[in-house]
Amino acid sequence: SQTIHQWPATLVQPVGSPLSLECTVEGTSNPNLYWYRQAAGRGLQLLFYSVGIGQISSEVPQNLSASRPQDRQFILSSKKLLLSDSGFYLCAWSVRGDRLSNQPQHFGDGTRLSIL
Amino acid sequence: AQSVAQPEDQVNVAEGNPLTVKCTYSVSGNPYLFWYVQYPNRGLQFLLKYITGDNLVKGSYGFEAEFNKSQTSFHLKKPSALVSDSALYFCAVRGISGSARQLTFGSGTQLTVLP
Repeated sequence: SQTIHQWPATLVQPVGSPLSLECTVEGTSNPNLYWYRQAAGRGLQLLFYSVGIGQISSEVPQNLSASRPQDRQFILSSKKLLLSDSGFYLCAWSVRGDRLSNQPQHFGDGTRLSIL
Repeated sequence: AQSVAQPEDQVNVAEGNPLTVKCTYSVSGNPYLFWYVQYPNRGLQFLLKYITGDNLVKGSYGFEAEFNKSQTSFHLKKPSALVSDSALYFCAVRGISGSARQLTFGSGTQLTVLP
């Protein structure tokens, strides 16, 4: 069966420090991968998505970046964190392919990021 | 552009009573519709989806949802609520011609089941 792992579960960082959040998927190949941010326990904002290694699409302008160095690895980074970067970050995967766009996304358990 | 509306931020229901969490959508063409549940400090869990066919879709944990094309709605239902159903529920929509990214989520409805 497929599983998705995110770490760390919680992170406290000072303003201006760098960030690296990692997400890995097991049990599937060539997945679509996504990073979301959830503010105040409510709506999800899509930050990045990837349909393949090295292919990253950004949905919103920000000081965050994403990379996909391996097929099942998705990394969210920042060189300098802002207070506004605080939130709950969720990684998700889905089966790749437009023909299969009826497939759901499957989420990791998230990273709660607090910026001090 | 596609959109999802969950008109109720909060729904309270007594244990054993039926529950309904409302969702309406707007999308070009036929929609793919999804319901997810989120427990505190956890990721979203997939509950059920509507792609085509029978308007009543059955999912995990006894939940079901009814697709109504004329009302552009996809309400989540359960005949008898449990205290353990208390969680945050999200409706999501994707257009049939959508690319990988075009899954649009509603703002969420907090369901509280009272013992």
